[in-house]
Amino acid sequence: NAGVTQTPKFRVLKTGQSMTLLCAQDMNHEYMYWYRQDPGMGLRLIHYSVGEGTTAKGEVPDGYNVSRLKKQNFLLGLESAAPSQTSVYFCASSYPYGYTFGSGTRLTVV
Amino acid sequence: RKEVEQDPGPFNVPEGATVAFNCTYSNSASQSFFWYRQDCRKEPKLLMSVYSSGNEDGRFTAQLNRASQYISLLIRDSKLSDSATYLCVVKGGGGNKLTFGTGTQLKVEL
Repeated sequence: NAGVTQTPKFRVLKTGQSMTLLCAQDMNHEYMYWYRQDPGMGLRLIHYSVGEGTTAKGEVPDGYNVSRLKKQNFLLGLESAAPSQTSVYFCASSYPYGYTFGSGTRLTVV
Repeated sequence: RKEVEQDPGPFNVPEGATVAFNCTYSNSASQSFFWYRQDCRKEPKLLMSVYSSGNEDGRFTAQLNRASQYISLLIRDSKLSDSATYLCVVKGGGGNKLTFGTGTQLKVEL
């Protein structure tokens, strides 16, 4: 039972490059989320989805886009990476039961 | 003002000590409350839910005061393995979203 799987686990980008982070869950959860965590700060919500084909902005959405074309997958895109997007990114899923996190993606933008 | 506020610590305590963490939240409409544990460079994991009546899980006791918008966590007989960051988390609003405090770091020493 994999739970929530994030790929890649580590990535280094140059400023201006683009990339997509993939989150996959096998628990048939309706809701999925992308958070970022920076030193000295709690997790902050970037975007979330309450179902296939739906997305919504969280607390810190600027510079990111998301898509939920399939219920089990939630993609986070950075169109033009900036050093301020250096962070650890956590995906999570929930509903109706529980709240499960992926193991995180460490992204460095140089 | 942050939605969820915690003392960042660190709390350095000897093994066997009792330690208490506190947290306040600003949104009186918040519905559910939790303590999560986060080990270094890992994803957050649910430690326990928090109820107004107070609840206990082994050496851990959590308490919620809705009138004061205050949440607490008490750890008795601290173990070396309790060393981690403890995150105060509040759930509310549509989409089952979680709002995290910045976390309190605990270091249990011999």
